[in-house]
Amino acid sequence: GAVVSQHPSWVICKSGTSVKIECRSLDFQATTMFWYRQFPKQSLMLMATSNEGSKATYEQGVEKDKFLINHASLTLSTLTVTSAHPEDSSFYICSARLYRASSYNSPLHFGNGTRLTVT
Amino acid sequence: DQQVKQNSPSLSVQEGRISILNCDYTNSMFDYFLWYKKYPAEGPTFLISISSIKDKNEDGRFTVFLNKSAKHLSLHIVPSQPGDSAVYFCAASDDDKVIFGPGTSLSVIP
Repeated sequence: GAVVSQHPSWVICKSGTSVKIECRSLDFQATTMFWYRQFPKQSLMLMATSNEGSKATYEQGVEKDKFLINHASLTLSTLTVTSAHPEDSSFYICSARLYRASSYNSPLHFGNGTRLTVT
Repeated sequence: DQQVKQNSPSLSVQEGRISILNCDYTNSMFDYFLWYKKYPAEGPTFLISISSIKDKNEDGRFTVFLNKSAKHLSLHIVPSQPGDSAVYFCAASDDDKVIFGPGTSLSVIP
């Protein structure tokens, strides 16, 4: 079946540094990828929609200059947390869907997430 | 404004009995609904989905019911097994983005 690979699974960084998280679709081409963030015991909050070959669409309240998204190919999207601060510590999860036009038979496939800790 | 609601943060069920997880949504533009299961520190795993043109979809022990007029859906798990213990997220899609509910933590007691 379809698999989404996310790397790294966890990262610890110092305040002020930048961290890049990769999301790859392993056996299908993903025209659209989604980035979610989850705080402890809370729901998955959509941060942005990453579209191959075009700019990402950010949800309200998400700083696009803080969370840089690049979707350069049909199998890879990256999220870079720039100048990270302790409040950016969270669980970041990417997901991919094969078809953009129709949602009926295309559930999201999720990566295993990245635990980011900013000290 | 929470577009997808799961009003029960937790649920405990005896092994072998039925688990019923509920979900309500507010956006009438949603036309595709999904249930995901999630373990701590892992990504969600897709369980079952239903489109707005149907009112029931069944897959093994999992059945999802959709009441479009009430903007309500539910996931039935029968019989419940200890391995079903996890957080279950309801999600709704309008063909553009997928919005998740806050989740319900299910504990199946042996």
